[in-house]
Amino acid sequence: GQQVMQIPQYQHVQEGEDFTTYCNSSTTLSNIQWYKQRPGGHPVFLIQLVKSGEVKKQKRLTFQFGEAKKNSSLHITATQTTDVGTYFCAGHSGTSYGKLTFGQGTILTVHP
Amino acid sequence: NAGVTQTPKFQVLKTGQSMTLQCAQDMNHEYMSWYRQDPGMGLRLIHYSVGAGITDQGEVPNGYNVSRSTTEDFPLRLLSAAPSQTSVYFCATEQGSGNTIYFGEGSWLTVV
Repeated sequence: GQQVMQIPQYQHVQEGEDFTTYCNSSTTLSNIQWYKQRPGGHPVFLIQLVKSGEVKKQKRLTFQFGEAKKNSSLHITATQTTDVGTYFCAGHSGTSYGKLTFGQGTILTVHP
Repeated sequence: NAGVTQTPKFQVLKTGQSMTLQCAQDMNHEYMSWYRQDPGMGLRLIHYSVGAGITDQGEVPNGYNVSRSTTEDFPLRLLSAAPSQTSVYFCATEQGSGNTIYFGEGSWLTVV
């Protein structure tokens, strides 16, 4: 079945440093979504990418979808302590109607 | 996240007991899903439903039953609880495939 791998599993940064997490799928995706989960909280939708090569920005966050629609990345510029949490990618494939496959998540810690 | 309501928030069960996790949504979304979240494993799909009267298995369905008699409700039943079912359970809704997923606040279940 479809697998979505996410790296790194953990990332510790100093406040102000950049952060990137990468997501790779074993199959071509119809779209990919990114979620953020604060400690003790629930996943919250950040963004969805649909088109091959698509790049979207939300303030300090930049999301990319690969040309082959099998990989994606999330980059945070100049991290802040409010960025702490786990970032998940999740992919829909064309054959997984109604189902979403999540990566294992990257746990981001930001030291002030 | 008033749109998706999960109950109970916390539950301790003894091995062999049965229980039902409730999920209700007021957004009239077609799709509803149950995920479990375990450390280092991301979110794994248990069961999902694409509409009232229709359910299907996800990645880890064993030991769980679901039904979808109404659009609003999607209960998850644990038939005979096992320690391996200790986890955080999230209910989620989605208007249609490929759209934003909204998560409930989670149910923390411990089986002793």
